[in-house]
Amino acid sequence: EAQVTQNPRYLITVTGKKLTVTCSQNMNHEYMSWYRQDPGLGLRQIYYSMNVEVTDKGDVPEGYKVSRKEKRNFPLILESPSPNQTSLYFCASSLSRVLGSPLHFGNGTRLTVT
Amino acid sequence: DAKTTQPTSMDCAEGRAANLPCNHSTISGNEYVYWYRQIHSQGPQYIIHGLKNNETNEMASLIITEDRKSSTLILPHATLRDTAVYYCIVNGNFNKFYFGSGTKLNVKP
Repeated sequence: EAQVTQNPRYLITVTGKKLTVTCSQNMNHEYMSWYRQDPGLGLRQIYYSMNVEVTDKGDVPEGYKVSRKEKRNFPLILESPSPNQTSLYFCASSLSRVLGSPLHFGNGTRLTVT
Repeated sequence: DAKTTQPTSMDCAEGRAANLPCNHSTISGNEYVYWYRQIHSQGPQYIIHGLKNNETNEMASLIITEDRKSSTLILPHATLRDTAVYYCIVNGNFNKFYFGSGTKLNVKP
């Protein structure tokens, strides 16, 4: 089944403890992206990647890192999490940047930083 | 990217067609109209998209006006499981894909 898989679904951690949220897609998609969703603010883009080894900042990149060493994986790294990064995170992928290719989303990771 | 305007919420009776409007008066020629929905806190689910012509798939129909300044998503026979927040997005630069506040569709028995 074609899908975007995020892990873990739920994560509770403490301030400053490095963590990684994994994202994998099995559709051979070139484009991948991370979003966070907060009440009243909608979905905001954190980072995106147009292909392997090509990443760029979205609208809210501060405090996050990403890497794209393989086409299928796009992990989100929080080097020193803080409580303001408590949020619902979504990974998404698309076939390419060609106009018309829709985004496919994972089921989300709910992160709580205490 | 063009900004979209959607009603905050709508009600629909189960079994009836749900018509969700979206205004995108500043849309440019190369921008597509996408519709997604989100049920509770699940990942947004792609529904349909189009450029100029009306589109239909197994989930819904998309009607785009001739001037492309507005569109309507039609769920032909709404069920309780269609209760969700529906997002209309207009996108040309795929790097930036903005989700607004959407329309909360309440399907009632």
